[in-house]
Amino acid sequence: GEDVEQSLFLSVREGDSSVINCTYTDSSSTYLYWYKQEPGAGLQLLTYIFSNMDMKQDQRLTVLLNKKDKHLSLRIADTQTGDSAIYFCAERTGANNLFFGTGTRLTVIP
Amino acid sequence: NAGVTQTPKFRVLKTGQSMTLLCAQDMNHEYMYWYRQDPGMGLRLIHYSVGEGTTAKGEVPDGYNVSRLKKQNFLLGLESAAPSQTSVYFCASRPLGQGADEQYFGPGTRLTVT
Repeated sequence: GEDVEQSLFLSVREGDSSVINCTYTDSSSTYLYWYKQEPGAGLQLLTYIFSNMDMKQDQRLTVLLNKKDKHLSLRIADTQTGDSAIYFCAERTGANNLFFGTGTRLTVIP
Repeated sequence: NAGVTQTPKFRVLKTGQSMTLLCAQDMNHEYMYWYRQDPGMGLRLIHYSVGEGTTAKGEVPDGYNVSRLKKQNFLLGLESAAPSQTSVYFCASRPLGQGADEQYFGPGTRLTVT
């Protein structure tokens, strides 16, 4: 499969911004996604970006895409304890080809 | 709508035993998927289906079989379980169409093979 990489852990203080990074290898990606997984639950789509966009903002979430460097990031403003979860980036290269990163466990310290 | 449901939530099997995991969705989605999630790894696609009566292999299909006899159900079978199949299994579905096409995930089935 494709290679999608993320750092495994991130800790931030409540109220600070969190930035979760992801790199991918397939330049033919059509969409890139951020999913959130809370303990004992399935993945929930947070946001996505089309590959011809550089940035997308959705309330506290900002997605930045650097297509040249194949780098995707998710910024969460004013991080809350409820944001503690595992965050997965995923790239879609075809109708049914969705490749996930390893996930980044975000811990928010009160 | 219940969304995507999975049965059972937990299961322990002995090596060589067989079992079937059931995924059901009530959103009339065309596409359904089975993934496995292992520590330190992202989700990996086992098998998928683009419609009733059709299935296809994903990234890690060996040791698994699937069936999609009804549009709302997608079954994952393990004929002879091995310890390497200890994992958390997620089912997902999505509608037919263009665009971002969000996949909707079930809550997962935690399987342990001893």
